[in-house]
Formats: sequence, structure tokens, C-alpha cells
Amino acid sequence: DAEITQSPRHKITETGRQVTLACHQTWNHNNMFWYRQDLGHGLRLIHYSYGVQDTNKGEVSDGYSVSRSNTEDLPLTLESAASSQTSVYFCASSEGGTGELFFGEGSRLTVL
Amino acid sequence: QKEVEQNSGPLSVPEGAIASLNCTYSDRVSQSFFWYRQYSGKSPELIMSIYSNGDKEDGRFTAQLNKASQYVSLLIRDSQPSDSATYLCAVNMGDYKLSFGAGTTVTVRA
Repeated sequence: DAEITQSPRHKITETGRQVTLACHQTWNHNNMFWYRQDLGHGLRLIHYSYGVQDTNKGEVSDGYSVSRSNTEDLPLTLESAASSQTSVYFCASSEGGTGELFFGEGSRLTVL
Repeated sequence: QKEVEQNSGPLSVPEGAIASLNCTYSDRVSQSFFWYRQYSGKSPELIMSIYSNGDKEDGRFTAQLNKASQYVSLLIRDSQPSDSATYLCAVNMGDYKLSFGAGTTVTVRA
């Protein structure tokens, strides 16, 4: 079955370190998204991509970057982790049309 | 003003009752609307999508859309303890991007 997987599922890091969260999907979807979820804010869009070599900023992109070198993967990098980036991160994908999203299991990141 | 707003909850209903969840959105051109269910510690999963004004029923779930009022709702009939979760309203803001509400937590009392 097609799926979308994230790793690591849990990570603790220190302020100032670089962190990369991996996202891999086997749906063969062109569209991939990174959201963060915080209490009281729901899901907020960080970055998204419509295909290989395409990346775009979402509403909360400061301090994050992504790259898309193939269809399957969209890694999210925190260049210099900050305590404000402690959150649960969800990767999602979709195949055009209406925009229905399929989510990964999430990555819980704690920045100390 | 947030793009998508939901009644904040939490919402507690007795088993067998109807749970009613509401959502309003700000962008008049939105065409696609979704309800996701999220169990504690899990990822969101799609339970309903609706694209046209009116009602759409799927089992015990009914989604209602009124584009003129920029309003979408979800009714859960015959609520079960397994329906206890957070329900997220999502609206397609264009270019396949979804904007989410903060969610409404539903607890079904046995």
C-alpha cells in the first residue's frame, strides 16, 4: 500500500543546532507539504512543493527550508533550531484536484 | 481574522446523541472543504469532503455547506465513544493548499 513516512518520530535537540526531518511518500504525488501543529493554532503551513525543484514558502516559513530533488522526498531543515520551533511536524501529500491531503504520522521535535 | 474558524469547544455529548461542529471561512472563492479527525497523538485523517452547497451524508456523518454564508458544518449522529477526537475543518484556499481551523475536541460520554 502507498504511504507517507516521517523520520525521526521523536527528536530532542539543543538551541542553535541544525535539524532535518525526513518525509518520504510512495503515493507518487506531485504536491507535498509541511505543517506544524501547536496547541491553539491548529495546523500551519511551513513550506510546500508542487514538483521536483519547486519549493514555496507557507505562512510560517521563517527559520525553515526545504528541497525537492525527487518526487518521493521533501526534507524539512531547521537551520538553527530555536525553542519556538518545539512542535509536532506533519508532512502531507496530495495529487492535484481538490487538494485532499494524506498525512504522515508526525515528528515531535523538542528544542531545549 | 483567521482564515478558518471553528467553535472552540470542547464539546461533550452523551453516547447516542448528535454532535454538531461548525466552521466559518473568510475566502469567498474557496471551492473544496474537508473535515479531518485526529485522535490524540495521531495524524489527521480525512472523514468527509464537500464541494457543493447542501448536505452530504456518509454513514453517521453529514457535512453541510453554505457558500453564501461561508459556513460548513459536520454532524455526527448516534455518537459513539470511538468518535472522541479533535475534528479539524480545512478549506482549500487555492493552489491545492489547505488552511485549517484550530480544531474542536469532542468527547462522547458513555
